[in-house]
Amino acid sequence: QTVVTQEPSFSVSPGGTVTLTCGLSSGSVSTSHYPSWYQQTPGQAPRTLIYKTNTRSSGVPDRFSGSILGNKAALTITGAQADDECDYYCVLYIGSGIRVFGGGTKLTVL
Amino acid sequence: QVQLVQSGAEVKEPGASVMVSCEASGYTFTAYYLHWVRQAPGQGLEWMGWINPNSGALKFAQKFRGRVTMTRDTSITTVYMELTRLRSDDTAVYYCARSSISAEAEFDYWGQGTLVTVSS
Repeated sequence: QTVVTQEPSFSVSPGGTVTLTCGLSSGSVSTSHYPSWYQQTPGQAPRTLIYKTNTRSSGVPDRFSGSILGNKAALTITGAQADDECDYYCVLYIGSGIRVFGGGTKLTVL
Repeated sequence: QVQLVQSGAEVKEPGASVMVSCEASGYTFTAYYLHWVRQAPGQGLEWMGWINPNSGALKFAQKFRGRVTMTRDTSITTVYMELTRLRSDDTAVYYCARSSISAEAEFDYWGQGTLVTVSS
């Protein structure tokens, strides 16, 4: 069974930069996993931030960026703002039409 | 504009089945996959599977095979997700989400979610 790993929680200071990661329990993440990232505030449906590793979804500010760092996918937020405080999820494509969500990262801005 | 509108909340007893609908509008219904994703209270998101509204082809996460099915009615641009043999740990918000017809495509639009509560 494929497990996608994310940091359970992270904190960043207002105006600071934070990098959240998305890994695989076995193996490395590559662009062939087409990593995507979603932002979710409590009680709301997720919002798409990044897809195909580093493509920003329409309307997403350029302080959100995606990449591959080492053997993981990464979401970097520069100039963190108070309303960035919410949950972030990555999704990896593992083949045969199958997607797997990471467990999510709860980001605190303080 | 693209909209995915889901049916209302459900309360079911253990062992029963539930069917949740997702009505699509604002785009060509048969040109995009529709996925189902669920979120148990206080937990993360979990991908369940997708349906190709054009062909009716299906793909499910292994965890749900044998208990979930997805169907579509192209005349009313609606997809349905039925989960059978419900257990208390199926209590969750169920979302439909759209992706382009490409095996690896991202979710670009989401429904508002449907709360399914399984309780005796």
